[in-house]
Order: sequence, then structure tokens, then C-alpha cells
Amino acid sequence: KNEVEQSPQNLTAQEGEFITINCSYSVGISALHWLQQHPGGGIVSLFMLSSGKKKHGRLIATINIQEKHSSLHITASHPRDSAVYICAVTGSARQLTFGSGTQLTVLP
Amino acid sequence: DGGITQSPKYLFRKEGQNVTLSCEQNLNHDAMYWYRQDPGQGLRLIYYSQIVNDFQKGDIAEGYSVSREKKESFPLTVTSAQKNPTAFYLCASSPGLVGLQETQYFGPGTRLLVL
Repeated sequence: KNEVEQSPQNLTAQEGEFITINCSYSVGISALHWLQQHPGGGIVSLFMLSSGKKKHGRLIATINIQEKHSSLHITASHPRDSAVYICAVTGSARQLTFGSGTQLTVLP
Repeated sequence: DGGITQSPKYLFRKEGQNVTLSCEQNLNHDAMYWYRQDPGQGLRLIYYSQIVNDFQKGDIAEGYSVSREKKESFPLTVTSAQKNPTAFYLCASSPGLVGLQETQYFGPGTRLLVL
């Protein structure tokens, strides 16, 4: 069983829809990261959080430490949001463990 | 502009050949990392370095080697011992070790293909 599980693996939405991507992990962590990988391959860090909720523009990330679960929400989705969204956790080994990613496609 | 550069964007390797992937950062970060990405899988850590002249093996170091002679540079060599090198390779850096809750900054990646 992978230490970091993401769902869904693939998600197609219409422009304007509210999107939720989920991440569950099975180990104790000090932080959880949400990353965005563009079609060309480059990766950008969106959020790092260890508790509660963070918001940046139309993106919102939440984490529930007791349930070992995090969600990434995108409000008013747009075709430019189409990318792979990756969840990663910092565990006891002080290294990042990555989920396999969620491919999001937003149709105009 | 500050950032991480990787070269080349595409690299072709012949059987039995060693190839070196370049990674340079001008962010003045202490820590640097190399990851491998395969389709449908999460990124996996190959090697990381906390400071100059020091580096540690990650989860999949076999068939790879690195050096850290300068703070800005962390080249990765894919040796002939790596039997399945076709993958997307990403270099990253952070101000300190990721265990200190540091954000990592990623380069654009190098896609390695075996001829």
C-alpha cells in the first residue's frame, strides 16, 4: 500500500465548476505539500501546511491531521487550471513522499 | 531571475553509455535533490545533498552517481549500471532540509530516452 494515496486519478470538469482533489496518507507527518505539474513537466509548489487551512486566490487547501487526510479545492475552475496536482508529505525520514498525482482537465 | 535550470531538456543514451544531467540553482539554497518520475508513479528520490561535498542516497540510488563540488551545482550521472533509465528527471532545491518544513523549488526537468 502506498504511503500517499490520491483520488481521483483523473478528473474532467467544465469551466466554472468547483473541484476537489483528495489525499490520504498512512504515516505521521510534519507537513503536507500540494504541487502543480504543468504539461511541460515543470513543478510549482502551491501549498505547504501542517494544520488547518490555507487559501491562495481560487485555491484552498485543508488538512485533518487526526484523519490523515487533505483536500485541494479549486473554485471557479478555468482551462488554465488543467495540470497534474501532486500531494506529498514530509515524514519521519525527513524526505518527501509523493502521491502519483491527479490529472485535471478543465474544458471550456 | 532566481531559479533552477536543468539541461538538456531531452537526452538520448545509447546502451552501455554514461550520461550526465546538469542542475544549477542561483537561489543560494543549501539543499538540492534529484528525483525520477515514471508514468503513473509518484516522484522517487535518487540522491540529495545538504551541503557542499556531502550527499546522501535516496530510495533508488543504484545506477546513479552525483557530486556537489559547488553550492550552485548538483549534476547527476546515469551510469550503464542503471538498466531502465528512461524517465523524467527533476532537480529541486530548498533553503534547508525538507524535514525543516522547507518548500522545494523544482527545475523544468530532463527527459532521458534510451536508443
